[in-house]
Amino acid sequence: GAGVSQSPSNKVTEKGKDVELRCDPISGHTALYWYRQSLGQGLEFLIYFQGNSAPDKSGLPSDRFSAERTGGSVSTLTIQRTQQEDSAVYLCASSLGPLVETQYFGPGTRLLVL
Amino acid sequence: AQSVAQPEDQVNVAEGNPLTVKCTYSVSGNPYLFWYVQYPNRGLQFLLKYITGDNLVKGSYGFEAEFNKSQTSFHLKKPSALVSDSALYFCAVRAYNNNDMRFGAGTRLTVKP
Repeated sequence: GAGVSQSPSNKVTEKGKDVELRCDPISGHTALYWYRQSLGQGLEFLIYFQGNSAPDKSGLPSDRFSAERTGGSVSTLTIQRTQQEDSAVYLCASSLGPLVETQYFGPGTRLLVL
Repeated sequence: AQSVAQPEDQVNVAEGNPLTVKCTYSVSGNPYLFWYVQYPNRGLQFLLKYITGDNLVKGSYGFEAEFNKSQTSFHLKKPSALVSDSALYFCAVRAYNNNDMRFGAGTRLTVKP
């Protein structure tokens, strides 16, 4: 595709439920990032994948958060036992490579935990 | 760890006037600096970046930014603002040797006709 895509665009769930958010990066991009954007705040780095290397999970806020990247392409961010404070926009970005390369962002998934 | 400060939550300018959106950063070592823009109901779009070289960086839509090492700043500028420039602007920094890109809280730019 032309850009990074994310699904669903909106997700409403009940507290305690698990949710899965999907990201399709730009074809050929080896690096993939997940961020969280909370209301009135900047973007918070969550996790980073680069090729076949072990992911950088240093930004994940708790062990309820996990992410996978299958086949070096599609990524899924999973939040288990969701809490109301997890409500935010979750953004995915990809880039040709690490570090200096420009990141291209998807439209985000707006998650609301009731 | 690196950090970014955008001291103004909101910037208002009249169309045709110059605009500046401020950004200061803190990082160990050489910084990589970025500006992104977020239009309503759309994802972040890359505007420009500073990696090395000329301190004045030119980017998309007529925007430019100046890297000032002594002041640890990377302010975004445009000589003549357009109403269509109204959006949320984010400054970001990463160190040369890690993956953690830190974004500022964002500055909402409103350009009035």
